Amino acid sequence: DAGVIQSPRHEVTEMGQEVTLRCKPISGHDYLFWYRQTMMRGLELLIYFNNNVPIDDSGMPEDRFSAKMPNASFSTLKIQPSEPRDSAVYFCASSSGGPQRRRHEQYFGPGTRLTVT
Amino acid sequence: AQSVTQLGSHVSVSEGALVLLRCNYSSSVPPYLFWYVQYPNQGLQLLLKYTSAATLVKGINGFEAEFKKSETSFHLTKPSAHMSDAAEYFCAVKVQGGSEKLVFGKGTKLTVNP
Repeated sequence: DAGVIQSPRHEVTEMGQEVTLRCKPISGHDYLFWYRQTMMRGLELLIYFNNNVPIDDSGMPEDRFSAKMPNASFSTLKIQPSEPRDSAVYFCASSSGGPQRRRHEQYFGPGTRLTVT
Repeated sequence: AQSVTQLGSHVSVSEGALVLLRCNYSSSVPPYLFWYVQYPNQGLQLLLKYTSAATLVKGINGFEAEFKKSETSFHLTKPSAHMSDAAEYFCAVKVQGGSEKLVFGKGTKLTVNP
């Protein structure tokens, strides 16, 4: 398996622009997570899905952030409008919820480094 | 709510020396505990996990961790550091039977000196 795939790897945009981050989870995984990593706040969970349904979005900073999972192999995190304080590395992770040895293990993508100027 | 405290944001050891990275957790119910490693400009990689089986857990790259309920600790150790171990290490906690949410510590950056 190719692992969790994220695109783009780097994004530089101007304040006020819309940003869309993309994630393809590991095939067969039924949980998908979006995290944000900054020096000040560390690694924070933004939202997670189970079987394409959002379960916990309490970490989403504000209405400017939205996430969707239209099918089991694709998710997006959108920021509109973007602000300089949104600059961070955004990670997508996936895991399997089945009764398997690797349950509870989250597998992370390489991240998208977002810079908002 | 569960939380994790990693003591020491930076740890420096000599190559061949013992590595000890400290993690204490807070959880009102039995936890699952994890250690992840992050190399520069990469995502997090699972090193090992505790899920209420054996209290001494062995992971990849020669790392191990021991769950001590009485001390609410899950410290990560490696007998002999290698230059390739230089990275940032994160401890994380999840409650059993509850949310899939992982709560991460702030991380400890490990430097290995030749």
